[in-house]
Amino acid sequence: EPEVTQTPSHQVTQMGQEVILRCVPISNHLYFYWYRQILGQKVEFLVSFYNNEISEKSEIFDDQFSVERPDGSNFTLKIRSTKLEDSAMYFCASSGAGGRKAFFGQGTRLTVV
Amino acid sequence: LAKTTQPISMDSYEGQEVNITCSHNNIATNDYITWYQQFPSQGPRFIIQGYKTKVTNEVASLFIPADRKSSTLSLPRVSLSDTAVYYCLVGALSGAGSYQLTFGKGTKLSVIP
Repeated sequence: EPEVTQTPSHQVTQMGQEVILRCVPISNHLYFYWYRQILGQKVEFLVSFYNNEISEKSEIFDDQFSVERPDGSNFTLKIRSTKLEDSAMYFCASSGAGGRKAFFGQGTRLTVV
Repeated sequence: LAKTTQPISMDSYEGQEVNITCSHNNIATNDYITWYQQFPSQGPRFIIQGYKTKVTNEVASLFIPADRKSSTLSLPRVSLSDTAVYYCLVGALSGAGSYQLTFGKGTKLSVIP
């Protein structure tokens, strides 16, 4: 079965540093998403991306966050100046035409120290 | 987005059938019902999706009554590896075509030997 891949699996960064989380969605998919899950809490929607632009975003997705699809295969989430509360698992997901079945990656565990 | 209510936890012995019921009283006409499974430190995994009546795949069955205000995920003959959190989600494609998923706390299923 095709899968969404995320790198790195674990990232440790100092508070205030910029981080870029990378994802390779399933190749023929059109919709791309980022979610996060703080330890012990619910999975939360951050942003959806379609046709090279953001289609929806949540209140969590403030000016510190940005997304990009730089080369037609990768999909990245950038956090400009990390805070301690950004520590979480970040999941990338993608879905095809019709959009209702989303495939998730294994996640990147971000630890801000 | 329709709110969902499901049991916080369930226990089952190996080999038994498990039914997890989710209520979604304010489901909208265009909403689909989707179930995901999540193991610790992994991304959610799509199990099954339906709109009405019954849907079956190689993993599970989904029963949806005519009023669609609830749904039941049925896992036949569970094994220890089915121990996970199961999420019921209700939603529809947005005007932009993306499918924002709103996760609740899910049902933590523990399979006992």
